[in-house]
Amino acid sequence: AQSVAQPEDQVNVAEGNPLTVKCTYSVSGNPYLFWYVQYPNRGLQFLLKYITGDNLVKGSYGFEAEFNKSQTSFHLKKPSALVSDSALYFCAVRDSRTGGFKTIFGAGTRLFVKA
Amino acid sequence: NAGVTQTPKFQVLKTGQSMTLQCAQDMNHNSMYWYRQDPGMGLRLIYYSASEGTTDKGEVPNGYNVSRLNKREFSLRLESAAPSQTSVYFCASSKARTQETQYFGPGTRLLVL
Repeated sequence: AQSVAQPEDQVNVAEGNPLTVKCTYSVSGNPYLFWYVQYPNRGLQFLLKYITGDNLVKGSYGFEAEFNKSQTSFHLKKPSALVSDSALYFCAVRDSRTGGFKTIFGAGTRLFVKA
Repeated sequence: NAGVTQTPKFQVLKTGQSMTLQCAQDMNHNSMYWYRQDPGMGLRLIYYSASEGTTDKGEVPNGYNVSRLNKREFSLRLESAAPSQTSVYFCASSKARTQETQYFGPGTRLLVL
């Protein structure tokens, strides 16, 4: 069965500092991994995804994520945080072999960037 | 392009009442999904439709039914609402392949008293 964990409910960072939002996953086949962001009272918006190839994936708004197969992780990073990055972030996984169209989402991590 | 639209935005029901949540997409996507979002639990898949004419259960299908009316529209029905179905409901769509990104609607907030 596929699963995803976001170990931190909230991450606090000062504006201009680097940020990391953690995600680990479990699948039986190869993973398709996604990061989405949710602003208040809005639907989820796509940030980036890993399907295959280069382990470092670059996405929207200066975000990037590194796929680490040995550690089964897909942490979201940004070199310099902005106050406008404050939002709820979701990691999601699909099992390429058995998951079909079912995407499993993590519980979410709230990012708070202080000015 | 409006993307994914949902109606209504907010609804209050009494226990036992029924209602249908509507979803439409204008991106010519084959696949559509219904999720519910509860605090601390992320999004959980209720039902999905991989393509027009097919529907399948997700993680939490009990108490819900769906209809893929055509390629654009995918509705979610609560036949007899329960307080446990108080949640925010999101519809999403994607191209057919499983590695494709999902595009989400703005959500429907449902309160069941």
